[in-house]
Amino acid sequence: NAGVTQTPKFQVLKTGQSMTLQCAQDMNHNSMYWYRQDPGMGLRLIYYSASEGTTDKGEVPNGYNVSRLNKREFSLRLESAAPSQTSVYFCASTPRVSSYEQYFGPGTRLTVT
Amino acid sequence: GDSVTQMEGPVTLSEEAFLTINCTYTATGYPSLFWYVQYPGEGLQLLLKATKADDKGSNKGFEATYRKETTSFHLEKGSVQVSDSAVYFCALSEGGYIPTFGRGTSLIVHP
Repeated sequence: NAGVTQTPKFQVLKTGQSMTLQCAQDMNHNSMYWYRQDPGMGLRLIYYSASEGTTDKGEVPNGYNVSRLNKREFSLRLESAAPSQTSVYFCASTPRVSSYEQYFGPGTRLTVT
Repeated sequence: GDSVTQMEGPVTLSEEAFLTINCTYTATGYPSLFWYVQYPGEGLQLLLKATKADDKGSNKGFEATYRKETTSFHLEKGSVQVSDSAVYFCALSEGGYIPTFGRGTSLIVHP
């Protein structure tokens, strides 16, 4: 099993450009999450999807959109990238939103210049 | 709201030294508590958990005890190895809700 996969691993954008971060899980999990990790800030939840067809805002949703394409895939879109969105982005999944253990992907390191 | 406070890092130790990483929490109820570990270049993975007061979670030589009276969940290991170098995150989940993570503590172990 691959678990949670994310693409790309690294990306450099110019301010104003758009891009989509992809995430897929092969564990048949219902719930998926997007976090950003910044130095000294820990992990902050951007958006989550409790189940296929639903999405909800987390702590820091501004500047992002998400799509739960199907049960396996959950994408994060930056419509107009800003330097403040320079971060490492992690996708995670759980069997259901009330499950304790989160399973994380390897992350995408994004730099916005 | 719920919050987790971890000691600032980095924590730098020599191999075979004793490790403690402090974690305290604020919660309205009785949360479950977790330690996650992030090795360089990887995502987080669950290291250990405790779901009620006085429970001790343990894994890979690491231990943490859920102390309700001091609202703490300190991570300990008796003898660290170079391979333990990583970032450690304390987290809590109340009522089965999405975890709240601390800011992480970097551990560097020298040979």
